[in-house]
Amino acid sequence: GENVEQHPSTLSVQEGDSAVIKCTYSDSASNYFPWYKQELGKRPQLIIDIRSNVGEKKDQRIAVTLNKTAKHFSLHITETQPEDSAVYFCAASNANNNDMRFGAGTRLTVKP
Amino acid sequence: ETGVTQSPTHLIKTRGQQVTLRCSSQSGHNTVSWYQQALGQGPQFIFQYYREEENGRGNFPPRFSGLQFPNYSSELNVNALELDDSALYLCASSPGMSTTGELFFGEGSRLTVL
Repeated sequence: GENVEQHPSTLSVQEGDSAVIKCTYSDSASNYFPWYKQELGKRPQLIIDIRSNVGEKKDQRIAVTLNKTAKHFSLHITETQPEDSAVYFCAASNANNNDMRFGAGTRLTVKP
Repeated sequence: ETGVTQSPTHLIKTRGQQVTLRCSSQSGHNTVSWYQQALGQGPQFIFQYYREEENGRGNFPPRFSGLQFPNYSSELNVNALELDDSALYLCASSPGMSTTGELFFGEGSRLTVL
């Protein structure tokens, strides 16, 4: 099955700086790559996703890039704010979306 | 629109017991996936149900089983509980296999096995 690795496990940045989280996946059949944000004690919520026919997608301060050849994708958050502090998970799934696998998570802390 | 709801929110069991966790999917969603999230870890895929049939399974032993009902709500059953089963169990629903792929999570059921 799919294996998703995520780095770093923790990331601390100053407010206003950028944050980058990277993931790799193993299954070349994976074609859907979402990112979820989980605040303490809350449910994971989708913040952005990308499909394999697109190399980059942006939504305001967040962007995701995908390199299918290298099997890696990254989350970029610009102009970070304290409310961005949370655990972020990358994930990958196949066309049937019946086997979505998550990375281990990155705890992002944005210091004011 | 009602979101994904799970019950119970917290429960404590002892080793060897059995537990049933329940999930009501979001309105209009016919697919339910179950995940186990240990403390400080990412969600681990247990299995998925689509239209009352198991549609995919992760690396969990057979003592983890499930059901989906005609109204698309779902149950996760775990037999012969072990200490390592202590975790947050997340249910997620989605509109169906052919759509966007976004999973809508519930708040989870936190299981403690003593």
